[in-house]
Amino acid sequence: QKEVEQNSGPLSVPEGAIASLNCTYSDRGSQSFFWYRQYSGKSPELIMFIYSNGDKEDGRFTAQLNKASQYVSLLIRDSQPSDSATYLCASPNYGGSQGNLIFGKGTKLSVKP
Amino acid sequence: GAVVSQHPSWVICKSGTSVKIECRSLDFQATTMFWYRQFPKQSLMLMATSNEGSKATYEQGVEKDKFLINHASLTLSTLTVTSAHPEDSSFYICSVFRSRESYEQYFGPGTRLTVT
Repeated sequence: QKEVEQNSGPLSVPEGAIASLNCTYSDRGSQSFFWYRQYSGKSPELIMFIYSNGDKEDGRFTAQLNKASQYVSLLIRDSQPSDSATYLCASPNYGGSQGNLIFGKGTKLSVKP
Repeated sequence: GAVVSQHPSWVICKSGTSVKIECRSLDFQATTMFWYRQFPKQSLMLMATSNEGSKATYEQGVEKDKFLINHASLTLSTLTVTSAHPEDSSFYICSVFRSRESYEQYFGPGTRLTVT
């Protein structure tokens, strides 16, 4: 059973700080990873995806992938109260239904003003 | 702008009735769409894969006769919950499979179904 694991949190950081969200995965063959942000009562919104080892930066967001350790993370710099949401890590189910995503349970982030 | 739309955004129905949810790809033709379900405080779980012009593929434990999927065009997939029961109350979200190379998926805004 392929799994994507996340700490459910809540993770609380002060405004302006760096929020670090972590995700581990069981399938060593996984090649790509997605970070989605989900506000309460809303559907997930894609914010980052990463395929290669190392870092990928987009604005205040940096995704980090370490395939040897089967670990992917999302850093949010200069956290804002509007970043308060649940962050879902996902990876394609390569052997499954034509590319559906396997989701972690999500980490709830709270940014305090 | 939005890539995927869903209608309705919320619906309340009585037990035993059927409800149809539409999912539309707005800016490109989608041969594959996915239907997910999310219960409160839980993550998304794939229900079925909708394929244009062919039968949907259902995940284990999802009743295909209860959750009817029709993908009649490259921009529209529908999910019909038949003979709905209170335990079917959930947040139903469709996604569009954007790229087979990158596995990118974009989600619709979701439909909250409440069965009374």
